[in-house]
Amino acid sequence: DAKTTQPTSMDCAEGRAANLPCNHSTISGNEYVYWYRQIHSQGPQYIIHGLKNNETNEMASLIITEDRKSSTLILPHATLRDTAVYYCIVRVHSGNTPLVFGKGTRLSVIA
Amino acid sequence: DAGVTQSPTHLIKTRGQQVTLRCSPKSGHDTVSWYQQALGQGPQFIFQYYEEEERQRGNFPDRFSGHQFPNYSSELNVNALLLGDSALYLCASSYNSGTGRNTIYFGEGSWLTVV
Repeated sequence: DAKTTQPTSMDCAEGRAANLPCNHSTISGNEYVYWYRQIHSQGPQYIIHGLKNNETNEMASLIITEDRKSSTLILPHATLRDTAVYYCIVRVHSGNTPLVFGKGTRLSVIA
Repeated sequence: DAGVTQSPTHLIKTRGQQVTLRCSPKSGHDTVSWYQQALGQGPQFIFQYYEEEERQRGNFPDRFSGHQFPNYSSELNVNALLLGDSALYLCASSYNSGTGRNTIYFGEGSWLTVV
């Protein structure tokens, strides 16, 4: 079973920041937080991952709380192409531990 | 740099038939995993191949089998197809390092319809 809890759906106005929350209260010390997204009918796309520090790349920022029990994925300027299902996953980063997907958050970016 | 590639993109099979799906991993990756995604659900882990051996397996019956070749490419075989096997089959690849470089990347998937 997935170790994360996410809202089922969210809306965001185009051009505004999209903030997607994720709860992972049972995360272990060696588990990272990963975010993937899946645009309709395509394979999941890796976005970002982090352990305990905030992370930023060209796609998004990841904010992890100090106790690591929750995190927020931030898309700074959402566009219509960001409409997708976003999955938050906790996973041990070493070795080849499989990803365990939950139901994710369906983000709709509205013009 | 080619990403994960899968073939075929779409296929239709009849109940009881067998199907083979193919995957080439991202350049530099040596580990291939397969996932099944039913409509409206998140992907479910089927199994993982590394060094041409099945290393981990999810909760799938023996009708699902696979193979990894020396060039790291992989096949997923499903025998005795059931209507419930209709799904998007995703191949994912990664590099089996102790730390760091084992982010998992996915292909676009193969849509299987069983009629």
